[in-house]
Amino acid sequence: RKEVEQDPGPFNVPEGATVAFNCTYSNSASQSFFWYRQDCRKEPKLLMSVYSSGNEDGRFTAQLNRASQYISLLIRDSKLSDSATYLCVVNMLRILTGGGNKLTFGTGTQLKVEL
Amino acid sequence: DTGVSQNPRHKITKRGQNVTFRCDPISEHNRLYWYRQTLGQGPEFLTYFQNEAQLEKSRLLSDRFSAERPKGSFSTLEIQRTEQGDSAMYLCASSSQPGQGNTIYFGEGSWLTVV
Repeated sequence: RKEVEQDPGPFNVPEGATVAFNCTYSNSASQSFFWYRQDCRKEPKLLMSVYSSGNEDGRFTAQLNRASQYISLLIRDSKLSDSATYLCVVNMLRILTGGGNKLTFGTGTQLKVEL
Repeated sequence: DTGVSQNPRHKITKRGQNVTFRCDPISEHNRLYWYRQTLGQGPEFLTYFQNEAQLEKSRLLSDRFSAERPKGSFSTLEIQRTEQGDSAMYLCASSSQPGQGNTIYFGEGSWLTVV
């Protein structure tokens, strides 16, 4: 079983639609959670961190359910510019090796927003 | 530009040749990471440095791969006797100490094609 699982999509949605992505992770010791955005042939960029209390950044809402080991991302009023791959990312803080961050990425969910 | 810098951005090499990629992290960041990403997959962790010390290596990092960060600043990733399966984007990332943001920032990646 993969450590982080996502539906690869693609999700094709009309402009203005609301779209939701889900992700599950297998390691209950995971400590922090993120959504990254990756445009075609570009590097991943941090979209937002994910907290158990839920957090919102403009049109984007992220939610974490630790009991179910489930992470979600909701995009409201989608724009053409939202077309990208959204990567679910889980962090294990490596206490034994100096406290660095070992990010584990899902395969990504591709979103295509159309006119 | 004060972001993570990688070069070369693109490299085409014949099977069996050696290649080296360089990464210059954000100047005040003491942690440096290498990831590899193949088409349709999320980035996979390869190795991690805190200053000049290489603290963790993935099983993905075979004997043909070696990474160094000799002075705790820039890093190099060398692949010896390249194989077609090494074709991927090699991503470098850096972060600062926890409590100083600790966000991981990625470079634009180095694309390797082995023919």
